[in-house]
Amino acid sequence: EAGVTQFPSHSVIEKGQTVTLRCDPISGHDNLYWYRRVMGKEIKFLLHFVKESKQDESGMPNNRFLAERTGGTYSTLKVQPAELEDSGVYFCASSRDSGVDTGELFFGEGSRLTVL
Amino acid sequence: AQSVTQLGSHVSVSEGALVLLRCNYSSSVPPYLFWYVQYPNQGLQLLLKYTSAATLVKGINGFEAEFKKSETSFHLTKPSAHMSDAAEYFCAVTGYNQGGKLIFGQGTELSVKP
Repeated sequence: EAGVTQFPSHSVIEKGQTVTLRCDPISGHDNLYWYRRVMGKEIKFLLHFVKESKQDESGMPNNRFLAERTGGTYSTLKVQPAELEDSGVYFCASSRDSGVDTGELFFGEGSRLTVL
Repeated sequence: AQSVTQLGSHVSVSEGALVLLRCNYSSSVPPYLFWYVQYPNQGLQLLLKYTSAATLVKGINGFEAEFKKSETSFHLTKPSAHMSDAAEYFCAVTGYNQGGKLIFGQGTELSVKP
């Protein structure tokens, strides 16, 4: 069974440009999460999809971030326009069940974003 | 509100020595607690979790953690470190019905010396 895959593994862009990160969850996992780790800080929750619907997007920093999950399969996270403080590692995770007492989150390797 | 504090951003032990990584939490609801590990160039992997059952939780690779409500702690231990344990370890907390919205600590980098 393939794990959670993320693309690209590393992206370097100029301030003001646009970047789109992609996450393919484990097949059959309805729940998809985005997290972010800014350098030296803790990993922080961004949002949670259940199938194609946003269940919780309370962690999204501002309206420069747009997450989508078309058809309830893969998800994209777009940053437009990117700012220096957006640099960090963006993690995607998926789970079959949304309750943590019944399932666990499976994380991808992360997409490292560097904004110059 | 919930929060997690991991004491020590870097911990170094000798191979064969005890591993102790400290985690204290704050939670206004009964907590569910987790330890994740990230090996170089890999994603986060669940080591173990506490979800209100037994307070002593055993995980993979010989790790275990004990939930102590009175001390609001969930420290991770392993009796004998192996070189392959070198990684970054994350403690996380969530509450019932909060799904996968985990609150993470800042992580502890574990080095194992030969």
